[in-house]
Amino acid sequence: NAGVTQTPKFRVLKTGQSMTLLCAQDMNHEYMYWYRQDPGMGLRLIHYSVGEGTTAKGEVPDGYNVSRLKKQNFLLGLESAAPSQTSVYFCASSYLGTSGNLDNEQFFGPGTRLTVL
Amino acid sequence: AQKVTQAQTEISVVEKEDVTLDCVYETRDTTYYLFWYKQPPSGELVFLIRRNSFDEQNEISGRYSWNFQKSTSSFNFTITASQVVDSAVYFCALSAGYMDTGRRALTFGSGTRLQVQP
Repeated sequence: NAGVTQTPKFRVLKTGQSMTLLCAQDMNHEYMYWYRQDPGMGLRLIHYSVGEGTTAKGEVPDGYNVSRLKKQNFLLGLESAAPSQTSVYFCASSYLGTSGNLDNEQFFGPGTRLTVL
Repeated sequence: AQKVTQAQTEISVVEKEDVTLDCVYETRDTTYYLFWYKQPPSGELVFLIRRNSFDEQNEISGRYSWNFQKSTSSFNFTITASQVVDSAVYFCALSAGYMDTGRRALTFGSGTRLQVQP
């Protein structure tokens, strides 16, 4: 069991470039999440998905898009990167929550460190 | 709005000391969940505990214990006889409030970095 994996681990972009971060989980979890972690701010939810083909906005969705075409994969896209998107990005997954809420234990990937120059 | 405050940015202790990490939360909801996660130097977050708002019993798991007090809106974490392997950033999180999608939101505190010196 690999758990939650993320690719790439590191990436440097120039302002305006685009890229896609890939998250994969092998635990058959329904829910998947993308967070960003910035110094002194904890983790903030960007987007999440409660099942294949469905996505929803989190706390800080602007500048990002996501897709969940397969249950095990959750992609995070930056169409036109900005220096403010320099951060560490974490993907997580969890099984079905109570009443559809995000209440269950989340399993995290190792993170992707992104720098936008 | 929901809020989680971890006022201790960094704590340094010597091995075998006991240490308590504070977590204070704010919510108007009566139903909510609290979590603690550990982020070791390797980077990925590891789940430690989940507690719902109706269960105020303290919990002990080996050297770890958690004290949940609704009266003071706190969910503190104590490590007894700390070890070097406990060195990490610890996050407290709250599932409460509702996003536009109608689902409860998950809010993380800013984390406390614990350094355990040998």
